[in-house]
Amino acid sequence: DGGITQSPKYLFRKEGQNVTLSCEQNLNHDAMYWYRQDPGQGLRLIYYSQIVNDFQKGDIAEGYSVSREKKESFPLTVTSAQKNPTAFYLCASSIRGQETYEQYFGPGTRLTVT
Amino acid sequence: AQSVTQLDSQVPVFEEAPVELRCNYSSSVSVYLFWYVQYPNQGLQLLLKYLSGSTLVKGINGFEAEFNKSQTSFHLRKPSVHISDTAEYFCAPLMNTGFQKLVFGTGTRLLVSP
Repeated sequence: DGGITQSPKYLFRKEGQNVTLSCEQNLNHDAMYWYRQDPGQGLRLIYYSQIVNDFQKGDIAEGYSVSREKKESFPLTVTSAQKNPTAFYLCASSIRGQETYEQYFGPGTRLTVT
Repeated sequence: AQSVTQLDSQVPVFEEAPVELRCNYSSSVSVYLFWYVQYPNQGLQLLLKYLSGSTLVKGINGFEAEFNKSQTSFHLRKPSVHISDTAEYFCAPLMNTGFQKLVFGTGTRLLVSP
């Protein structure tokens, strides 16, 4: 079955540590996205990538980094510079160049930093 | 200015009653509009979308929405809800800034009780 996988589902880290969240898709989508979700704030865009080896900052990129070395993979690193990293992180993908604009979402990773 | 406003943070309703979840968008965004649903601790799933054509759009699980350009609204409706419809619902217009970006509202939590 095609889809997006995110692992792990729950992640716990100590303050000051970097942590990498995994996102893999087998939908053959060109574009991939990372969102952060906090209670009462909806989803906010962290980074997006429209093609391999290219990515752009979203609205809240500070304290995060990404890479896009393969079409299928778009890992997100939450660095120690992110002041409030505890949140629910969602990865999404979409077809580029077709006017459907629909984004497909993974199940999310809940990160807790103490 | 807010690109999208979901006026109700929470909507309690009894099973089999009708429901309307309100969404208003600013004229600065495109008229491509989406509704997504999120069940607890899961990713988002597309309910329906308006890209063009008929202003009444039907989606999955018996939901529908009406695009109203003069009122800049895209309210979501269901004539008879089920317990299983308990979830968070997000309205998301597409913002065309060179990159087609979904702008998510803060969400409306639908609580269906027996």
